[in-house]
Amino acid sequence: AQSVTQLDSQVPVFEEAPVELRCNYSSSVSVYLFWYVQYPNQGLQLLLKYLSGSTLVKGINGFEAEFNKSQTSFHLRKPSVHISDTAEYFCAVSQYDYKLSFGAGTTVTVRA
Amino acid sequence: SAVISQKPSRDICQRGTSLTIQCQVDSQVTMMFWYRQQPGQSLTLIATANQGSEATYESGFVIDKFPISRPNLTFSTLTVSNMSPEDSSIYLCSVDRGAEAFFGQGTRLTVV
Repeated sequence: AQSVTQLDSQVPVFEEAPVELRCNYSSSVSVYLFWYVQYPNQGLQLLLKYLSGSTLVKGINGFEAEFNKSQTSFHLRKPSVHISDTAEYFCAVSQYDYKLSFGAGTTVTVRA
Repeated sequence: SAVISQKPSRDICQRGTSLTIQCQVDSQVTMMFWYRQQPGQSLTLIATANQGSEATYESGFVIDKFPISRPNLTFSTLTVSNMSPEDSSIYLCSVDRGAEAFFGQGTRLTVV
């Protein structure tokens, strides 16, 4: 079984500042890693995913994440946020069976 | 990608009644997944629905409470039975396409 820990429940940030959302996972086997975003009153949208290969993954809307196997982490970053990045962000892992285990979520609030 | 339609988008139901949620996918998929997102919380997998076989339920979820049908490769239903206020949640249908999960817009259920 795998589990996901998002270390920050809420992250307030000013517009054009950088942001990092931290995610750690535990699993006894190799996993796939994902970040999803949920904008207010909308469905889930995939930001990026790590399946294999390069540990630095680039996603949509300027987001990127780095897979660190030794630290079992998959932190999400954006160098400069916009008001429109205000949303809930979920880290998730799955194994070969594609069943997703989600973290508790991080609420990002971008202020002008 | 995958386009997933869920119906209804929201409903308010009386306790003790049942609600059936429909999920339609724009192309054939082997597995369909049902998740629950309780207010202010993350997503939890309820069950995996495979066409032609019984659904597989995660720990804490039982068929009597959440019966699932999967009559073909593009359609599934989830029923929330004998509802109580604790069942008030967003229920989401999901499919996997190339190790990427796609989600429906969700069904927002309120039980009064």
